Amino acid sequence: GAVVSQHPSWVICKSGTSVKIECRSLDFQATTMFWYRQFPKQSLMLMATSNEGSKATYEQGVEKDKFLINHASLTLSTLTVTSAHPEDSSFYICSALHSNQPQHFGDGTRLSIL
Amino acid sequence: GQQLNQSPQSMFIQEGEDVSMNCTSSSIFNTWLWYKQEPGEGPVLLIALYKAGELTSNGRLTAQFGITRKDSFLNISASIPSDVGIYFCAGRMNSGYSTLTFGKGTMLLVSP
Repeated sequence: GAVVSQHPSWVICKSGTSVKIECRSLDFQATTMFWYRQFPKQSLMLMATSNEGSKATYEQGVEKDKFLINHASLTLSTLTVTSAHPEDSSFYICSALHSNQPQHFGDGTRLSIL
Repeated sequence: GQQLNQSPQSMFIQEGEDVSMNCTSSSIFNTWLWYKQEPGEGPVLLIALYKAGELTSNGRLTAQFGITRKDSFLNISASIPSDVGIYFCAGRMNSGYSTLTFGKGTMLLVSP
């Protein structure tokens, strides 16, 4: 089946640093990728929709300058959390979509900001 | 925005029991998806439903797309300890490229 790889799976860094998370579709070309954030015991919250070669569409309340998304190829999208602070600590999950198929998710990245 | 009401919020059952959970919406969805998420991992697709009334099985799992297109249920038969996890329903309103709306999840605990 479709495989989505997300890296890193876990990162701890100091407040003020920027963190980049990669999302790759391994066996298919993803025209659209999605970035979600999930707090403990809660559902997935869509942050942005990323289409290859164009600017990402951000959900209301998500700061585009804080969460930079780049979708440079059909198999790779990156999310950069800029100047991260403790309140940015969360579980970030990407998903990839090809044609009319269901979304397949990566294994998530647990981000902890000290 | 759209909301999915998923119930129950949690279930604690004995191994071997059957489980049923459902999602309802005030809006019509064209696709219903059921995912399972284990701790520290991303959701894994269990079943995808594309037509109203469709009933689809995946091993011990069975899901149905409601006739009104506003609800879906997931059944798990003869539960086993490895069924433990959080189950999410998700609905998609339009084409394949549109976003998903997620339910709040059902946490399933199975005791041996």
